Amino acid sequence: GDSVTQMEGPVTLSEEAFLTINCTYTATGYPSLFWYVQYPGEGLQLLLKATKADDKGSNKGFEATYRKETTSFHLEKGSVQVSDSAVYFCALRGETSGSRLTFGEGTQLTVNP
Amino acid sequence: DTEVTQTPKHLVMGMTNKKSLKCEQHMGHRAMYWYKQKAKKPPELMFVYSYEKLSINESVPSRFSPECPNSSLLNLHLHALQPEDSALYLCASSQVWARRGETQYFGPGTRLLVL
Repeated sequence: GDSVTQMEGPVTLSEEAFLTINCTYTATGYPSLFWYVQYPGEGLQLLLKATKADDKGSNKGFEATYRKETTSFHLEKGSVQVSDSAVYFCALRGETSGSRLTFGEGTQLTVNP
Repeated sequence: DTEVTQTPKHLVMGMTNKKSLKCEQHMGHRAMYWYKQKAKKPPELMFVYSYEKLSINESVPSRFSPECPNSSLLNLHLHALQPEDSALYLCASSQVWARRGETQYFGPGTRLLVL
């Protein structure tokens, strides 16, 4: 079945540091890939998505590229801010899974001033 | 506007109570979902409604009873819950159910505590 493996956290960075959160997946065909962010005490917000190989999703300075050859969708940001502190979930929606989202375990990011 | 609203924000209930969670969206979406999220874990799918019909029930205990009165509204009726049902309950919606690349938009959740 479909699965998502995320970089284990927690991750702690200083403000303006470079961020990478690794995400790899297992799925048949061409799944759609998503990054969601959950701020403390809130629901999930869509951060970015990509639906085909080599697509790059981007939003609020975050980027991720759909790499079919390495089955990866790593999240990056060039300069993090304290306000980026949150839990980040990588997710996929397989071609044959209806509307089920398969989530990774989540990565807790803390950014210190 | 990609807003999904949920009420109440917090709920405390005893094991013999009956309560309901409410979810609303006005984006014209025809698929709506309930998820359960335990602390430090990803959301787990409970139910999917497509065009107001129940399409998926992920073997959820009958003490959880979903209802979709119309295309904008989704309820989750709770009865005789157990303390282990304490969690964040998230509602989500998408334009349709099974379409490639379809994005689900989540509400802020209802934090439920069962005593």
